[in-house]
Amino acid sequence: GENVEQHPSTLSVQEGDSAVIKCTYSDSASNYFPWYKQELGKRPQLIIDIRSNVGEKKDQRIAVTLNKTAKHFSLHITETQPEDSAVYFCAVQKAAGNKLTFGGGTRVLVKP
Amino acid sequence: KAGVTQTPRYLIKTRGQQVTLSCSPISGHRSVSWYQQTPGQGLQFLFEYFSETQRNKGNFPGRFSGRQFSNSRSEMNVSTLELGDSALYLCASSEYDEQFFGPGTRLTVL
Repeated sequence: GENVEQHPSTLSVQEGDSAVIKCTYSDSASNYFPWYKQELGKRPQLIIDIRSNVGEKKDQRIAVTLNKTAKHFSLHITETQPEDSAVYFCAVQKAAGNKLTFGGGTRVLVKP
Repeated sequence: KAGVTQTPRYLIKTRGQQVTLSCSPISGHRSVSWYQQTPGQGLQFLFEYFSETQRNKGNFPGRFSGRQFSNSRSEMNVSTLELGDSALYLCASSEYDEQFFGPGTRLTVL
């Protein structure tokens, strides 16, 4: 089955610095790549996604890049703020239905 | 639109019992997926229902089952509970491929 590796598992950055999280996947049929943010005790929240026909997508301080040939995609957060502290999950999905395979998560801590 | 809702939010059961969890999707969403979240295994897909039919299934034993009603509300059932079933159970609804999660039901098995 599909396998998604996410790195790093923890990331500590200074407020204002950038954070980068990387994911690799195994199934070349995957065509939808969302990122979720989960704060402590809360539900995962969709923050950005990218589809296989796009190489990069940006939304204010967050961006996602996709390299389909290498089967990896990354989340970039610029000008980090304390409220960015959370666990971030990457996920992949194929065309046949809504079945997300998640990476193991990255705990991001933004230090003031 | 109102978000995804799940009931109950918390449950405590003992081994051997069974449990039913409920999920109400966003209005107009016909797909409901269920996930199990644990510290050790992370987020794992259980199954997806679309228009009352199971469309995808994960690698969980047959003790885990679900169904979807004509109004798109979904339930999942776990029979013969084991200690390892303690987890946060999340449902997500979608219209196309974006999935929006509910707050989850935290199940504790004693």
